[in-house]
Amino acid sequence: AQSVTQLGSHVSVSEGALVLLRCNYSSSVPPYLFWYVQYPNQGLQLLLKYTTGATLVKGINGFEAEFKKSETSFHLTKPSAHMSDAAEYFCAVSDPNTGNQFYFGTGTSLTVIP
Amino acid sequence: DAGVIQSPRHEVTEMGQEVTLRCKPISGHDYLFWYRQTMMRGLELLIYFNNNVPIDDSGMPEDRFSAKMPNASFSTLKIQPSEPRDSAVYFCASRISGRGDEQFFGPGTRLTVL
Repeated sequence: AQSVTQLGSHVSVSEGALVLLRCNYSSSVPPYLFWYVQYPNQGLQLLLKYTTGATLVKGINGFEAEFKKSETSFHLTKPSAHMSDAAEYFCAVSDPNTGNQFYFGTGTSLTVIP
Repeated sequence: DAGVIQSPRHEVTEMGQEVTLRCKPISGHDYLFWYRQTMMRGLELLIYFNNNVPIDDSGMPEDRFSAKMPNASFSTLKIQPSEPRDSAVYFCASRISGRGDEQFFGPGTRLTVL
C-alpha cells in the first residue's frame, strides 16, 4: 500500500525567502513521485516528477525536489518565494509497476507575505 | 493540445435533481480518472477507466453516483439524486500509459447542491 504525508497544512513565507514544503511517502517499492500545484479555482498542474535517474529534479517556476530513499522523502524547495507562488501544493506517489492510481497528500497551502 | 476539458465549470442545482458532469480527455490518453475535492476530505479518487473500461470504482461514494465512458473521447459522472453533501469540485484527469504515469487534470466542475 502507498500513502503520502505532507507535514504542515499551511506554510507562510516572506517574499524572497526559502520555500520548503515537506512530503514523506510510504511504499513497498521505489515509487514515482510528483508535485502538483493548484491555483485558486483551477485544476492541478504538474510542477515536477521523479521516476528514475537523478534524484534532484527541477521543475517549473524555479521549484525543485530531491528524492531521498533513505528518508522516504521528496521535499519541494524554491530558493526565493514570489507572490505568484501562493497556491495549494500536493505531493503524490504512484507504483511504477502498476501506475494506475495516484495517492495524493492532503495538500499544503502556501502563503507568501509581501 | 487542448488539455482535459470539463463541462460545465459551475453547476448549481437543488437537492434531488440529477446532475451530469462531462469530461473530454486528452486525445490519445488511455486512462481517465474522476476525483472529488472537498475541504473536509481533500482529493479523493472516485473511479478510473482504462481503454473505456471501468477498472476501479471503489471510491464511488454510493449508488447515487455512476460513471460511464462510451468512447475514448468522452466520459460522464452522474449523480442521481443529488444531495447537499455532494457539493464539491469534481476533477477529471487523463494519462497515457508508459510515460512516467503523469496525470493531466481538467479545470474542474464546481458543484453546489442546495
